[in-house]
Amino acid sequence: QQQVKQSPQSLIVQKGGIPIINCAYENTAFDYFPWYQQFPGKGPALLIAIRPDVSEKKEGRFTISFNKSAKQFSLHIMDSQPGDSATYFCAASMIYNQGGKLIFGQGTELSVKP
Amino acid sequence: GAVVSQHPSWVICKSGTSVKIECRSLDFQATTMFWYRQFPKQSLMLMATSNEGSKATYEQGVEKDKFLINHASLTLSTLTVTSAHPEDSSFYICSATVFGSAGARSYEQYFGPGTRLTVT
Repeated sequence: QQQVKQSPQSLIVQKGGIPIINCAYENTAFDYFPWYQQFPGKGPALLIAIRPDVSEKKEGRFTISFNKSAKQFSLHIMDSQPGDSATYFCAASMIYNQGGKLIFGQGTELSVKP
Repeated sequence: GAVVSQHPSWVICKSGTSVKIECRSLDFQATTMFWYRQFPKQSLMLMATSNEGSKATYEQGVEKDKFLINHASLTLSTLTVTSAHPEDSSFYICSATVFGSAGARSYEQYFGPGTRLTVT
């Protein structure tokens, strides 16, 4: 029940394309869903996050779509660039329980070809 | 804002020795810090949750006596890998939850740059 399942494992798109990464969870007590971007040899960087009271959130080229009834959320990257090539992790947590610890998905390695 | 640093960024040590990794929140006070380890091409695995002034809470399967965590202040947590062995070689990353920092909410986690540990 604590798992977050992420797909696909890897993704290759052309520059300008819109990669979509999907995550699914089981625990309905999760109330915070962030996405992190990680470059090789670096720590993850918070990209964008959403709470379950909204169905979509957009920040720059990054959009989260959230489907509470399906227990799924996804990351869309508009007008993708080669510099977006990185590993992306979704995560979920219960803000006021378990110390707010994050449960991470398995990660998606994104490659954006020029 | 919300910058987390780690020191050292990489360390090589001999089998059987101990190594300490520091995690600092530079521009905010962190109520809670988390320690993760990450193997190549894998996700982050939470090792423990650390609150200032109290004992760390370890995840199941993580050896408390091997991975000593001290959260001495609201800006510093340390992870000491005791009697390190080659299988402890990994990428160790800390994160901190923001507390009282203007413009940031209290449940966002910000990660440090990581520490690459190699045990020979």
